[in-house]
Amino acid sequence: KAGVTQTPRYLIKTRGQQVTLSCSPISGHRSVSWYQQTPGQGLQFLFEYFSETQRNKGNFPGRFSGRQFSNSRSEMNVSTLELGDSALYLCASSLRLKGAQNTEAFFGQGTRLTVV
Amino acid sequence: LAKTTQPISMDSYEGQEVNITCSHNNIATNDYITWYQQFPSQGPRFIIQGYKTKVTNEVASLFIPADRKSSTLSLPRVSLSDTAVYYCLVTGMNNAGNMLTFGGGTRLMVKP
Repeated sequence: KAGVTQTPRYLIKTRGQQVTLSCSPISGHRSVSWYQQTPGQGLQFLFEYFSETQRNKGNFPGRFSGRQFSNSRSEMNVSTLELGDSALYLCASSLRLKGAQNTEAFFGQGTRLTVV
Repeated sequence: LAKTTQPISMDSYEGQEVNITCSHNNIATNDYITWYQQFPSQGPRFIIQGYKTKVTNEVASLFIPADRKSSTLSLPRVSLSDTAVYYCLVTGMNNAGNMLTFGGGTRLMVKP
């Protein structure tokens, strides 16, 4: 079965612009989480969507937003880009079974965003 | 969730067994210990997960002592392709496959 697909793989944007990243989860997975990875801060949780609703949010400014569609595909948007937003943005999908502690996350290859 | 502490880096040689220890002193009763592997410019990949004692799969073994305050990931006979960053996570009922908290990880370098 197909894995988690993120598009685009690479992106170069200018400060002040906005960007939208896309994530298609594994078929049947309804939970999609987004992460930002930078050399300085490591892997940080951005937010999670489940059944088209944001369920959890990390400690990021409001410029970072997302949404999930009825087919579980998710998009992440960053507005008014700053140089510090340059990072690898990772999407992960999981089954998120209620009360189950032992499900795993499946990550995509990521989108490498460079802000110049 | 419990904070995890693991060595920043480790070196090994091909064919050796590598053991990476992680401490999680404040692990809760219902928490699991989960390990992920990440290669450069790729997303992390699930390796193994356990609750207590020993878990083994085709890739690794995970040893968890009775007090569960630490765990050891064991990679048998490593090869150059095992060079990666290994993350130890504590996962609970509300964040089993989502909202994961990653620490700094252990950067494993396998030399020929």
